Amino acid sequence: EDKVVQSPLSLVVHEGDTVTLNCSYEVTNFRSLLWYKQEKKAPTFLFMLTSSGIEKKSGRLSSILDKKELSSILNITATQTGDSAIYLCAVVNNNAGNMLTFGGGTRLMVKP
Amino acid sequence: EADIYQTPRYLVIGTGKKITLECSQTMGHDKMYWYQQDPGMELHLIHYSYGVNSTEKGDLSSESTVSRIRTEHFPLTLESARPSHTSQYLCASSSLIGAPDTQYFGPGTRLTVL
Repeated sequence: EDKVVQSPLSLVVHEGDTVTLNCSYEVTNFRSLLWYKQEKKAPTFLFMLTSSGIEKKSGRLSSILDKKELSSILNITATQTGDSAIYLCAVVNNNAGNMLTFGGGTRLMVKP
Repeated sequence: EADIYQTPRYLVIGTGKKITLECSQTMGHDKMYWYQQDPGMELHLIHYSYGVNSTEKGDLSSESTVSRIRTEHFPLTLESARPSHTSQYLCASSSLIGAPDTQYFGPGTRLTVL
């Protein structure tokens, strides 16, 4: 059974801090890893990482995939209160179509 | 970004009632999904569809049923709601081409069964 573990479970920082969120996975036939941001309702897509695209960046957010360590990190620099959310990591098993297996998420709170 | 809609956004209903949660998307995506998420917990896949007339059960067992008569529409039905069905239900869709692994989520329906 595929497994995704995220750490820390929750994190409180102040505006301007840099944070690193971790995601480790066990999947029999890895195809891709996705990061989502979930505020009050729906998860919104951030990045997808694959063997051919192990590093992605968008503004203050960036993510790296380490296939050797079976993990990924999501970095947020110069955090803002609007970054407060639950960050979800999910993996796709090449043997399971494009079904996502989600981790439990990291709850980030950014204080003014 | 996909346009995907869910109604109602909130529903409070009594035990034994039949309910249908609506989900529709305007992007022509072939694949659609239903997830269940309890507060502070992981998303669990309960149903998915590869296209019209295709429905499959997900990893988490659910008493709900789904149908896919039109590409854009993927409703979820509970014949007899129970308090154990209280949860948030999220619908998602993805395309078979381009970035098929990327699922786009609707705003969710928060269901409370009294």
